[in-house]
Amino acid sequence: DQQVKQNSPSLSVQEGRISILNCDYTNSMFDYFLWYKKYPAEGPTFLISISSIKDKNEDGRFTVFLNKSAKHLSLHIVPSQPGDSAVYFCAASGQMKTSYDKVIFGPGTSLSVIP
Amino acid sequence: EAQVTQNPRYLITVTGKKLTVTCSQNMNHEYMSWYRQDPGLGLRQIYYSMNVEVTDKGDVPEGYKVSRKEKRNFPLILESPSPNQTSLYFCASSPYRVGEQFFGPGTRLTVL
Repeated sequence: DQQVKQNSPSLSVQEGRISILNCDYTNSMFDYFLWYKKYPAEGPTFLISISSIKDKNEDGRFTVFLNKSAKHLSLHIVPSQPGDSAVYFCAASGQMKTSYDKVIFGPGTSLSVIP
Repeated sequence: EAQVTQNPRYLITVTGKKLTVTCSQNMNHEYMSWYRQDPGLGLRQIYYSMNVEVTDKGDVPEGYKVSRKEKRNFPLILESPSPNQTSLYFCASSPYRVGEQFFGPGTRLTVL
């Protein structure tokens, strides 16, 4: 059973519009959340993160919102640009073990920004 | 340039033939991990290491071995590869117990 879900495998958005990527998690022990972006033939790169003590974190065109009661987070990209076309992975971490915070990745959402 | 390198980038092998995928980071990071990426499943952690000589299993460790004899290197060993280990593999490193990881470019492995 997947602990981190990204229910939209793909998303298409017009250039200049808002992209909203969603992520749901099941384990209430998760307390830190990250988004990674992946281009073909490259490794994932870190995009933005949020701690469970916050409900919003913003970095330029990227904003992550966290709704702890719903166990839901979303990534907003405004305005979307063609270079944002990539696979986006949501990841959640929490202190499952005493010495290391386990990280669980979602299956990813492929974003296409149409010029 | 700060980076995580993996070799080889592509590998086709046959069932049962032992192989090693190397991973090296030049950022002096304490933490290193191996992941595999499969369609619809995202990245799943195979093994991780918190420091030299300290390793532990991730979510899918069966069929894999790792070692951490030096801080910069974290090789992944498949002693008897099987077709279900055909996948895209990523090595990652991090200076933090929690937070951003730096990923290598990936190794595409095919086991026939």
